[in-house]
Amino acid sequence: EFVLTQSPVTLSLSPGERATLSCRASQSVGSSLAWHQQKPGQSPRLLIYDASNRATGIPARFSGSGSGTDFTLTISSLEPEDFAVYYCQHHGSFGGGTKVEIK
Amino acid sequence: EVQLVESGGVLVQPGGSLRLSCAASGFTFSSYWMKWVRQAPGKGLEWVATINQDESKTDYLDSVKGRFTISRDNAKNSLFLQMNSLRAGDTAVYYCARVFTNYGVMEVWGQGTTVTVS
Repeated sequence: EFVLTQSPVTLSLSPGERATLSCRASQSVGSSLAWHQQKPGQSPRLLIYDASNRATGIPARFSGSGSGTDFTLTISSLEPEDFAVYYCQHHGSFGGGTKVEIK
Repeated sequence: EVQLVESGGVLVQPGGSLRLSCAASGFTFSSYWMKWVRQAPGKGLEWVATINQDESKTDYLDSVKGRFTISRDNAKNSLFLQMNSLRAGDTAVYYCARVFTNYGVMEVWGQGTTVTVS
């Protein structure tokens, strides 16, 4: 069974700090991985596809990296609107999510 | 503007049926694979079903196979999810999503419609 595991579950940071989120796949997916952001009460929004490509309109402070089984989403300097839950995704599988909360 | 608008979510009793709709606008609907994704209260995202452009290919989450049917009407720019034999575990917000890339990335999401089975 294919599984995506995200860590940490919760990340407590202050505005302006750097956030590093991890997603690990149970088998290699090459660079076929996406990241989505979901704010409370809102639908998800695509941030990154193909591991490192920003979707339309996504600010440059969001970056993705990795290949194979290990992937990282980095937010270089947290803005107030970035506090949300982040999900990695490959085909029909989602990771469990990482909540980025205000410290 | 590219837009997906879901409707049809209501409170339904266990064992009941429901049909969700998703109205697409602002793009050539018939050119895209589409998906339904759900989110139970306080939980993460869960893929439910996928359909290709001409309905020749569909795929389902194991727990909904035989109970849910995904379909589309390209002439009316609409996506559907027929849900039968509903269970409490199907309670969730249901999102439709436009797909791009060959590994099923959801590029555009609707606002969601709430299904409560109780």
